Amino acid sequence: DAEITQSPRHKITETGRQVTLACHQTWNHNNMFWYRQDLGHGLRLIHYSYGVQDTNKGEVSDGYSVSRSNTEDLPLTLESAASSQTSVYFCASSVDPDGPQHFGDGTRLSIL
Amino acid sequence: GESVGLHLPTLSVQEGDNSIINCAYSNSASDYFIWYKQESGKGPQFIIDIRSNMDKRQGQRVTVLLNKTVKHLSLQIAATQPGDSAVYFCAESRDYKLSFGAGTTVTVRA
Repeated sequence: DAEITQSPRHKITETGRQVTLACHQTWNHNNMFWYRQDLGHGLRLIHYSYGVQDTNKGEVSDGYSVSRSNTEDLPLTLESAASSQTSVYFCASSVDPDGPQHFGDGTRLSIL
Repeated sequence: GESVGLHLPTLSVQEGDNSIINCAYSNSASDYFIWYKQESGKGPQFIIDIRSNMDKRQGQRVTVLLNKTVKHLSLQIAATQPGDSAVYFCAESRDYKLSFGAGTTVTVRA
């Protein structure tokens, strides 16, 4: 079955370090998204991509970057991790940019 | 500002009863809405969606109702089961991007 996988599932790092979270989908979806989930805020969009070489900023993009070199992967990079970026991160993909998104099981990131 | 929100943060339901989860939105230009279910330690799972040209859509044990006049969305779950215990989110599509509410935690009592 096609799926979307995120790695690692859990990570602890220190402030100032660069961190990359992986997202891989086997549905061949053009559209991919990164969200963070914090208590009281629901899911907030960080970055999104509508295809290879396309990336766009979302609602809370400061301190994050993404790259899209192929259809399957959209890695999320925290250039210099800050404690405010401690969160659960979810990746999603969709076949239609205005259609249902399918989510991975998340990465819990703690920045000390 | 405009936002998607849920009326109640928690809902306790007796097993076998019907559940109704509500969501209010304020952007009249939104044309697509989705309900997600999230279990502990998992990502949001798609339940059902509805476009603004519809008032009602049914799935397996679930029904979504859309009232554009009062900007209200609801999810009805028939014969609620213990496996329905989760956090439920509504999401609104604006400019091809989803905005999520904070979620309603549903607890099913045996």
